Amino acid sequence: SQTIHQWPATLVQPVGSPLSLECTVEGTSNPNLYWYRQAAGRGLQLLFYSVGIGQISSEVPQNLSASRPQDRQFILSSKKLLLSDSGFYLCAWSVGNSPGQPQHFGDGTRLSIL
Amino acid sequence: DAKTTQPNSMESNEEEPVHLPCNHSTISGTDYIHWYRQLPSQGPEYVIHGLTSNVNNRMASLAIAEDRKSSTLILHRATLRDAAVYYCILRDAVGGDKIIFGKGTRLHILP
Repeated sequence: SQTIHQWPATLVQPVGSPLSLECTVEGTSNPNLYWYRQAAGRGLQLLFYSVGIGQISSEVPQNLSASRPQDRQFILSSKKLLLSDSGFYLCAWSVGNSPGQPQHFGDGTRLSIL
Repeated sequence: DAKTTQPNSMESNEEEPVHLPCNHSTISGTDYIHWYRQLPSQGPEYVIHGLTSNVNNRMASLAIAEDRKSSTLILHRATLRDAAVYYCILRDAVGGDKIIFGKGTRLHILP
């Protein structure tokens, strides 16, 4: 069966520090991968999605970036965190590029910026 | 992705059925209707999806209006564990590789 792993579960970082969040998927090949952010009390915002290795689409301009160095690995990064980067970060995967396929989410990383 | 409209919040008594409505008047012919739910401090969980016909699975039922401009997620017997935010989402054939989440409906279950 397919599984998705995100780590760390929680993270506290000072303003201006770098960030690296990792997401890996097991049990499937060539998944579509996604990064979402959810600010406190708000809905999910799509940040990046990828349909293959090295292919990244950005939905919202920001100081975050994403990379997909391997088929089932998706990394969210920042060189300098801002206070506004606080939130709940979620990675998700789906099969292929069909609207009938659901997305499966990880357990998320709760990021607090001090 | 086309927009959906859901009530901000709903309440239901435990062990009773719950009908969660969603309006999507601008739905196109190729849009699928998806439902997800998010429990507190967790990632969203896929619930059900459909195109034209009503759908049933172990979690819920999806009733789709004949004109497809609205749908209803039905939880047949609500439990306290069903308290969550429920999202109704449209996914089309062109933008099928991403989901745009709205604010959803916060469902409160009363014991």
